[in-house]
Amino acid sequence: DIQMTQSPSSLSASVGDRVTITCQASQDINNYLNWYQQKPGKAPKLLIYDASNLETGVPLRFSGSGSGTDFTFTISGLQPEDIATYYCQQHDNLPYTFGQGTKLEIK
Amino acid sequence: QVQLVQSGAEVKKPGASVKVSCKASGYTFTDYYMHWVRQAPGQGLEWMGRINPNSGGTNYAQTFQGRVTMSRDTSISTAYMELSSLRSDDTAVYYCAREETTGDYSDWGQGALVTVSS
Repeated sequence: DIQMTQSPSSLSASVGDRVTITCQASQDINNYLNWYQQKPGKAPKLLIYDASNLETGVPLRFSGSGSGTDFTFTISGLQPEDIATYYCQQHDNLPYTFGQGTKLEIK
Repeated sequence: QVQLVQSGAEVKKPGASVKVSCKASGYTFTDYYMHWVRQAPGQGLEWMGRINPNSGGTNYAQTFQGRVTMSRDTSISTAYMELSSLRSDDTAVYYCAREETTGDYSDWGQGALVTVSS
């Protein structure tokens, strides 16, 4: 199975800050990397697919980059409504494994 | 619009089985894989497996092999996930999610809480 190592596990930032989360795959995943946002009691929501493609309707302050095994998720200008847990997921090989999650809090 | 509506919460005793349903609407059910993902309380997301609604073919995570069965009824556009020999650590919210052609899950069910307790 492909292991996805996400960091940090938690993060505290101020409104307006630039926030970065990283995700490392245990092998090359050909950019087949998605990012999800999950708020308490809700299903995850797709934000970024295939490493850098913004899902329709998702604000432009969210972005993704990276290739091969190393990927980055960025929020440019943190907003209060961005408080959530964020997960990366690879879909290059079954099983489609997730990172451990990053819990984002407001300072 | 695409909707995935799951069955309600369940409470089961250890050793029992549970079957969760996921009724799809707003698209052609047989055109997209359906996946199942679970989340234990306060924990992360865990992929369980997927079913091809067209062929009925399945792929399961090794963790659940022998305990999970995914099925579908194309006449009512519904996918099912049955987990047997339940243990307390199977207590979780179980989600169905439709796999887009781009390999992502843009549509999710609302989740079904399964509680395993004696």
